Amino acid sequence: KQEVTQIPAALSVPEGENLVLNCSFTDSAIYNLQWFRQDPGKGLTSLLLIQSSQREQTSGRLNASLDKSSGRSTLYIAASQPGDSATYLCAVCPGGGADGLTFGKGTHLIIQP
Amino acid sequence: DAGVTQSPTHLIKTRGQHVTLRCSPISGHKSVSWYQQVLGQGPQFIFQYYEKEERGRGNFPDRFSARQFPNYSSELNVNALLLGDSALYLCASSVFAGFTYEQYFGPGTRLTVT
Repeated sequence: KQEVTQIPAALSVPEGENLVLNCSFTDSAIYNLQWFRQDPGKGLTSLLLIQSSQREQTSGRLNASLDKSSGRSTLYIAASQPGDSATYLCAVCPGGGADGLTFGKGTHLIIQP
Repeated sequence: DAGVTQSPTHLIKTRGQHVTLRCSPISGHKSVSWYQQVLGQGPQFIFQYYEKEERGRGNFPDRFSARQFPNYSSELNVNALLLGDSALYLCASSVFAGFTYEQYFGPGTRLTVT
């Protein structure tokens, strides 16, 4: 059974810092990995999707990397801003593609002004 | 273009009652999936529907059922509600079946069972 772990569970940093969120998964037979942002009580906003054949994806100040063989992904946020405060969720798509995304519990991020 | 929409936004029900949640996918998307998110946890997969057929089911009891309509909108039904069914219910749409395509999530329906 695929398990996804996100470290740290919570993080509080001053505005302007660069930071890294970590995601690990137990079964490397994945099709893709997706990073989401969730504001309190709200739905999920897709940030980046990395196909299993890719090593990284970038969007603005966000960069996600994937090392499928070691079962790890990182989300790098450059020059953090208070508006980046949210919970960040990592989800993997199993190789079969029909069993739903498997999510981690998320990293709760607070950027201090 | 409108994103994924869900109704109602919030709902309060009593144990033993039945509830129906609704979802409209992004225009052009033919697949709808449902997830349950309990406070402090990541979402858990419940169902996926594509072209009105169930294409995937997570580890949820038979009290949970769903269907998809010809316009690709979907309903999630939960019978005999338990306190543990209190959660945020999320709907996601994608272009085709399976989860290899990018999933777009709606704002969710917050269900409270008392």
